[in-house]
Amino acid sequence: AQSVAQPEDQVNVAEGNPLTVKCTYSVSGNPYLFWYVQYPNRGLQFLLKYITGDNLVKGSYGFEAEFNKSQTSFHLKKPSALVSDSALYFCAVRDLTGGGNKLTFGTGTQLKVEL
Amino acid sequence: SQTIHQWPATLVQPVGSPLSLECTVEGTSNPNLYWYRQAAGRGLQLLFYSVGIGQISSEVPQNLSASRPQDRQFILSSKKLLLSDSGFYLCAWSAGALGQYFGPGTRLTVT
Repeated sequence: AQSVAQPEDQVNVAEGNPLTVKCTYSVSGNPYLFWYVQYPNRGLQFLLKYITGDNLVKGSYGFEAEFNKSQTSFHLKKPSALVSDSALYFCAVRDLTGGGNKLTFGTGTQLKVEL
Repeated sequence: SQTIHQWPATLVQPVGSPLSLECTVEGTSNPNLYWYRQAAGRGLQLLFYSVGIGQISSEVPQNLSASRPQDRQFILSSKKLLLSDSGFYLCAWSAGALGQYFGPGTRLTVT
């Protein structure tokens, strides 16, 4: 079965510092990986995806993610954090069981960016 | 461009009352459609998905049902709500393997 793990419930970072939100995956076959962000009482917003190609994927709002096959990781990064980046972040992997292009989500990581 | 709508935004219903949440998508044809529930905390639970009109797959046995009467319309229903049905309900669509796109959500409180 496809799965992703987000080992940190919360990440705290100072504004202007780089941030990393971790995600590891377990899949059979080639992984399709995604990052989403959720602000309070809102739906999830798509940030970026990895399907194939370059291991460094650039997405919305200055975020990027690095696909590492040997470490089965897909960490989300941003060179300089903003207070407005504070939100809940989800990693997801395409789930091939049963069809329907389903996604399996991680448990989420709360990012808090402080002044 | 594609947009996805959900309504109502918030809903307070008594235990035992019926439920109907609606989701519609614009700007695409034959999308895959999904209903998720996000309980207090953060986890996302896939409830139902649909690959076409009248085609519904249920992921978790529960007090809820889903229907897709039109290509871009997805409805979540219940005949009698339970307290445990409270949560944040999210609808999403996809047009292939390139990710899902979410609506704004409905906050349901069962009292």
